[in-house]
Amino acid sequence: QLVLTQSPSASASLGASVRLTCTVSSGHSSYAIAWHQQQPEKGPRFLIKVNSDGSHRKGDGIPDRFSGSSSGAERYLTISSLQSEDEADYYCQTWGTGIWVFGGGTKLTVL
Amino acid sequence: QVQLVESGGGVVQPGTSLRLSCAASGFSFSNFGMHWVRQCPGKGLEWVAFIWYDGRTKYYADSVKGRFTISRDYSKNTVYLEMNSLRAEDTAVYYCARDAAATGISLDYWGQGALVTVSS
Repeated sequence: QLVLTQSPSASASLGASVRLTCTVSSGHSSYAIAWHQQQPEKGPRFLIKVNSDGSHRKGDGIPDRFSGSSSGAERYLTISSLQSEDEADYYCQTWGTGIWVFGGGTKLTVL
Repeated sequence: QVQLVESGGGVVQPGTSLRLSCAASGFSFSNFGMHWVRQCPGKGLEWVAFIWYDGRTKYYADSVKGRFTISRDYSKNTVYLEMNSLRAEDTAVYYCARDAAATGISLDYWGQGALVTVSS
């Protein structure tokens, strides 16, 4: 079964960096994932697609502060030079034939 | 620029029906698949339905299969979600999103959402 696992919460200080993790279920470690950001009271926004080899592709207008990487079954989103507007929920998402799956989301607090 | 604008949300009673619309602009609508994704109050994102660019292939989440129908109108650049036999647990904000499979990216643009409340 295709499942994505995320930590419920994370926090980091203004100006610092943070790395969020999304773990792909066993047997699906070759799957690419996408990261989406949802700021409070807003719709989601596509940030970046991360492949199993660590290559990635960002959405239109996404700042260089956002980057992606991969190791085994883990997919990462790194946000550097944290800004107040980065405080949001972050969802990883993947897909197969006829199925699209979201992780439970990570709530990022910027201290 | 790509724009997706949902409409049709509202308050309905359990067992009734509602149709959501998503008007697309800023891209060639006929070349892209489209999704509906929902978010129940205080919860995470849940994929609901997908329609392929040509309208021939459709997929549904098990939670809505047999009750919801996704369709599209190329003359209006609009995708629809017909929701029947609504339940309290269908209460959510419903988002439409574009699928950019041709570029290897899924759900690359999202709308702002439409709130559906199912309550007696």
